Amino acid sequence: GQQLNQSPQSMFIQEGEDVSMNCTSSSIFNTWLWYKQDPGEGPVLLIALYKAGELTSNGRLTAQFGITRKDSFLNISASIPSDVGIYFCAGSFSSNTGKLIFGQGTTLQVKP
Amino acid sequence: DAGITQSPRHKVTETGTPVTLRCHQTENHRYMYWYRQDPGHGLRLIHYSYGVKDTDKGEVSDGYSVSRSKTEDFLLTLESATSSQTSVYFCAISEGKTEAFFGQGTRLTVV
Repeated sequence: GQQLNQSPQSMFIQEGEDVSMNCTSSSIFNTWLWYKQDPGEGPVLLIALYKAGELTSNGRLTAQFGITRKDSFLNISASIPSDVGIYFCAGSFSSNTGKLIFGQGTTLQVKP
Repeated sequence: DAGITQSPRHKVTETGTPVTLRCHQTENHRYMYWYRQDPGHGLRLIHYSYGVKDTDKGEVSDGYSVSRSKTEDFLLTLESATSSQTSVYFCAISEGKTEAFFGQGTRLTVV
């Protein structure tokens, strides 16, 4: 099946530090999304990207849709303890359905 | 929060028994999905529906069937559960966009 390579697999950082994670694919996607999952909960949508080169922010989060359409990154600035969780990238060949291909996830831990 | 309710939230069942998981939405979204989440694999699409009685297979559909008789309900059935189907199952919904909204999940253990 399709594969998204998400890195790093895990991060342990100090509160206040900036965080960067990325996803790469061998396939071209029409849409990139970033989700966060807390323990025992379902993934929650953070940012959706629809155009190559698009840079979108949501509070302290910034994500970009790579120009080649085969990659995306997510930055978190000035991390806080509640940023702890698993972050997933997801790609879609479609622009109007939620048929998504997920990365393996990045586990983020923040030390106060 | 998207109005998605999954039931049951937890279930333990024996190998070879049939199991049905239910997803109920109050958003009147056209598309509904079943994903499974396993360590090291992220989430993988099992089946999806694009309308009442309209369903199609996803990436990991073997051993699963689905039904959608009403807009608000999407059922996932394991005809004969196996240990490899031990997983966390998530229902998701979407409407005209790629942005899918997920339920809280059902943790299924097959012993």
